Amino acid sequence: DIQLTQSPSFLSASVGDRVTITCRASQDISSYLAWYHQKPGKAPKLLIYAASTLQSGVPSRFSGSGSGTEFTLTISSLQAEDFATYYCQHLKSYPLTFGQGTRLEIK
Amino acid sequence: EVKLVESGGGLVKPGGSLRLSCTASGFSFSRAWMTWVRQTPGQGLEWVGRIKSKADSGTTDYAAPVKGRFTISRDDSRNRLYLQMSSLKTEDTAVYYCTTLGDYYDSAHYHLRGFDYWGRGTLVTVSS
Repeated sequence: DIQLTQSPSFLSASVGDRVTITCRASQDISSYLAWYHQKPGKAPKLLIYAASTLQSGVPSRFSGSGSGTEFTLTISSLQAEDFATYYCQHLKSYPLTFGQGTRLEIK
Repeated sequence: EVKLVESGGGLVKPGGSLRLSCTASGFSFSRAWMTWVRQTPGQGLEWVGRIKSKADSGTTDYAAPVKGRFTISRDDSRNRLYLQMSSLKTEDTAVYYCTTLGDYYDSAHYHLRGFDYWGRGTLVTVSS
């Protein structure tokens, strides 16, 4: 099975900050990576697929990059509604595993 | 508007069984690939299994921890997805979500996009 490791696990930042979250895969997954965020008590929401393609309706301050085994999610200017837990997920093969999550909190 | 509503969760004893349902609306359910995902309280996300559309064979795949104990099925006439869970263990305690599994077209092939739409989830508690 493909393992995904996110870093950091916890991130404290302020509104307006630029933040980057990294996701590393245990083997080459090409660009078969998605990013989600989840707010407390809510279901996750798909933000980015194919490593860098913004899902419809997602603000352009979110961006993704990478291929192979290393990927990043960047939020260019944090807004209050962005404080949540972020997960990466690979879609290379079954099982479709998730990273352990990065909790983004207000400083 | 796409809507997924899970039901059937509750308290069940170890070794017991439970069937979850997911009622879909707002999209062509019969053409959709669907999945179940679970999340243990305060923990991360775990993919449980997937069922393809009948046009794409209707086959299922499962995560190792549930294989042989859980079965995913669908009733396209009722726009419903099911998760039959048996031989339940305490570690199956989680919120269970149903999701759509979207795709995109690139380089002459369809590829998995991710879990586009999610229900609100239903809590399953396995405890004596």
